[in-house]
Amino acid sequence: AQKVTQAQTEISVVEKEDVTLDCVYETRDTTYYLFWYKQPPSGELVFLIRRNSFDEQNEISGRYSWNFQKSTSSFNFTITASQVVDSAVYFCALKGYSTLTFGKGTMLLVSP
Amino acid sequence: NAGVTQTPKFRVLKTGQSMTLLCAQDMNHEYMYWYRQDPGMGLRLIHYSVGEGTTAKGEVPDGYNVSRLKKQNFLLGLESAAPSQTSVYFCASSSATGSYNEQFFGPGTRLTVL
Repeated sequence: AQKVTQAQTEISVVEKEDVTLDCVYETRDTTYYLFWYKQPPSGELVFLIRRNSFDEQNEISGRYSWNFQKSTSSFNFTITASQVVDSAVYFCALKGYSTLTFGKGTMLLVSP
Repeated sequence: NAGVTQTPKFRVLKTGQSMTLLCAQDMNHEYMYWYRQDPGMGLRLIHYSVGEGTTAKGEVPDGYNVSRLKKQNFLLGLESAAPSQTSVYFCASSSATGSYNEQFFGPGTRLTVL
């Protein structure tokens, strides 16, 4: 069985601070995909990034960056210079050969 | 191109009532999914379908039934609603081809069972 752990239930930061959301996963599949989704207060799920298990390159997209470390089974997400609009619940998810498994989410609150 | 749509957006039921949630996608995706989201639990898979006429159980299937009579539609039924089924329900779809099988999500249905 596969499992995704987001140990941080809730994080509060002040605007312009950097923040890292942790994601640790477990799977026996040799090929798998990792995802991050954002769920703003409006409730929809917004796809942020996917990464396959063979690509350990870190990725940067604007203020967002992702650090994939297969050796520690982690796929962490960093927001640089956070903004109030970043306030949301963020989900990490894993798809191996079967279905998509979500972590329980981390609620990020960015205060002005 | 509407993507994935869900009907209704909100619903309140009394215990024991039945209802059907409708999910529709216009991306010609083979796979479709129903999830429920509860506070602090993330999204959990209820049922899914890998093609027209086929369905399979997910992580939390009890109390729900599904049908996929048409490729573009995936119905989730509650035969006798219980308060424990109060949740936000998300439908998703994905293509069978391609490496990522990325799932596209609908806007969600908020269901309250009194």
